[in-house]
Amino acid sequence: EAGVTQSPTHLIKTRGQQATLRCSPISGHTSVYWYQQALGLGLQFLLWYDEGEERNRGNFPPRFSGRQFPNYSSELNVNALELEDSALYLCASSLDSLNTGELFFGEGSRLTVL
Amino acid sequence: SQQGEEDPQALSIQEGENATMNCSYKTSINNLQWYRQNSGRGLVHLILIRSNEREKHSGRLRVTLDTSKKSSSLLITASRAADTASYFCATDAWDSSASKIIFGSGTRLSIRP
Repeated sequence: EAGVTQSPTHLIKTRGQQATLRCSPISGHTSVYWYQQALGLGLQFLLWYDEGEERNRGNFPPRFSGRQFPNYSSELNVNALELEDSALYLCASSLDSLNTGELFFGEGSRLTVL
Repeated sequence: SQQGEEDPQALSIQEGENATMNCSYKTSINNLQWYRQNSGRGLVHLILIRSNEREKHSGRLRVTLDTSKKSSSLLITASRAADTASYFCATDAWDSSASKIIFGSGTRLSIRP
């Protein structure tokens, strides 16, 4: 069974540009989570999607947005990139829509903003 | 803000020794989970303990949960070099609209050969 896949693995952008990151959950999982992890730090909650709807979002500005498609894959968009957006962006999926179960993580997309 | 905070931030021990990491959280929870992250990679789930459980074991891992103190501990016995990684606790937290799974700041564990 394929795990959570994220693309691209690495992405280099310049300030002011836009970045799009993609995530495919494990087959059958309807919940997708996005986290930002700056170098050497913990995970900051970004977004949670379930059944195509945004269920919750973290304390990030509106230029961080995303969506979940009918096949439950998801994309994260970051507009007007700033240097501090440089981080590892992790996607996770879950079979559980109530936040009571295990998260399965992808390997992440490393975004570098120059 | 972080729901969970791990202590210590970094821990270095000799191979074969036991490693203990602690996690404190702020609000009531339904469950608490521990994850492991090898350098710059995705997280791997280790163990989940529900709010009505006090202790859980999985192989060399032992997790305790004290809901009255809002704290949990992860014990790794007989540590191995391969246990070198960062360890995070995660809890479900509610805000005004919905729940979310929040991670702590992590403990960096180094196992010396």
